[in-house]
Amino acid sequence: NAGVTQTPKFQVLKTGQSMTLQCAQDMNHNSMYWYRQDPGMGLRLIYYSASEGTTDKGEVPNGYNVSRLNKREFSLRLESAAPSQTSVYFCASSQKDSGNTIYFGEGSWLTVV
Amino acid sequence: TQLLEQSPQFLSIQEGENLTVYCNSSSVFSSLQWYRQEPGEGPVLLVTVVTGGEVKKLKRLTFQFGDARKDSSLHITAAQPGDTGLYLCAHSNTGKLIFGQGTTLQVKP
Repeated sequence: NAGVTQTPKFQVLKTGQSMTLQCAQDMNHNSMYWYRQDPGMGLRLIYYSASEGTTDKGEVPNGYNVSRLNKREFSLRLESAAPSQTSVYFCASSQKDSGNTIYFGEGSWLTVV
Repeated sequence: TQLLEQSPQFLSIQEGENLTVYCNSSSVFSSLQWYRQEPGEGPVLLVTVVTGGEVKKLKRLTFQFGDARKDSSLHITAAQPGDTGLYLCAHSNTGKLIFGQGTTLQVKP
């Protein structure tokens, strides 16, 4: 039972570099999310996808792009990384008819130097 | 954006003590969720409260939804070191799950 799987777990980037965080879920959920977590800030929603082919901005979308490649996969891209994007990133998924319980991946630690 | 304010932000107590964590907003919610997050892991759902005035118990944890559905509390009785973690409340806003900033709880043996 993999649940939500995200990669990589750790990454160090130089300012200006680009990278993509990958996320996949095997629970056949329609909704998928990307959050970032910073000390004292809780979890802030970056982007959200209610279903395959749709994406919506969350609370802090600037500097990020997303792709809902298919029902299973939802990737997060940093086109030109900045030190302010140093954070822990969590992918998550949920299904409305399952009580809308949201399941999180284990997190990706990203440092931009 | 409907903001969720959690208090206190940090709490450090001795094993066996009781504590209450609060989640407040000026908005009315159809439901509210509580999550617990341990270091190095993603948050895990503890409970969802739906009805105003609702009380739910999960072993030593008691969750209450305010009568007006604007606030919620989490009470832990006889805290254990295993209760240490980050406690987050969250609400669903047009399908997007929005979190409060969390309460970091440390229970010392």
